[in-house]
Amino acid sequence: AQSVTQPDIHITVSEGASLELRCNYSYGATPYLFWYVQSPGQGLQLLLKYFSGDTLVQGIKGFEAEFKRSQSSFNLRKPSVHWSDAAEYFCAVGDAGNNRKLIWGLGTSLAVNP
Amino acid sequence: NAGVTQTPKFQVLKTGQSMTLQCAQDMNHEYMSWYRQDPGMGLRLIHYSVGAGITDQGEVPNGYNVSRSTTEDFPLRLLSAAPSQTSVYFCASTAAKSTDTQYFGPGTRLTVL
Repeated sequence: AQSVTQPDIHITVSEGASLELRCNYSYGATPYLFWYVQSPGQGLQLLLKYFSGDTLVQGIKGFEAEFKRSQSSFNLRKPSVHWSDAAEYFCAVGDAGNNRKLIWGLGTSLAVNP
Repeated sequence: NAGVTQTPKFQVLKTGQSMTLQCAQDMNHEYMSWYRQDPGMGLRLIHYSVGAGITDQGEVPNGYNVSRSTTEDFPLRLLSAAPSQTSVYFCASTAAKSTDTQYFGPGTRLTVL
């Protein structure tokens, strides 16, 4: 069965530190992969997505993610975290032919210490 | 463009009451969906629609009805509210292409007493 695992429920980092949020998926076909961010009290916003080509994708707000097929992973990274990055981050995987139904991870809550 | 709009932002219901959560998008997107978000359970798909007149069930459809009479609107109806339906509800829309982004509304926080 298709699934998405975000192993870290909650992460705290200091402002200026680097960040890596993990995402592992189980999917039989070529996946479409997404990272969304949800700020407190807000809806979700797309950070970046991967569906083909270069396995390192750049997103908004200085985020990037790397698709590693051999590890079934799509980890999100940022070299220097800002206080405004404190939010909930969701990884999702979609069918290569139909991204409209996504499988969602449970999310990772990021706190940023000043 | 306003994007995806949802009303109301907050709602308190008593058990057994009915209500409709409104969702509208002005991006001419074919696909629309309703999610509920609960602590520790992530986003769960309630119902979705691939176009006007076409709806289908997601993973948690019980207790909810939807219809899609126009491309723009996708209301979610709670027929007889239960405390288990206390949640935050998000509507999302996506264009037809398979690589397109889902655009989310700001959410409706529903409490059922």
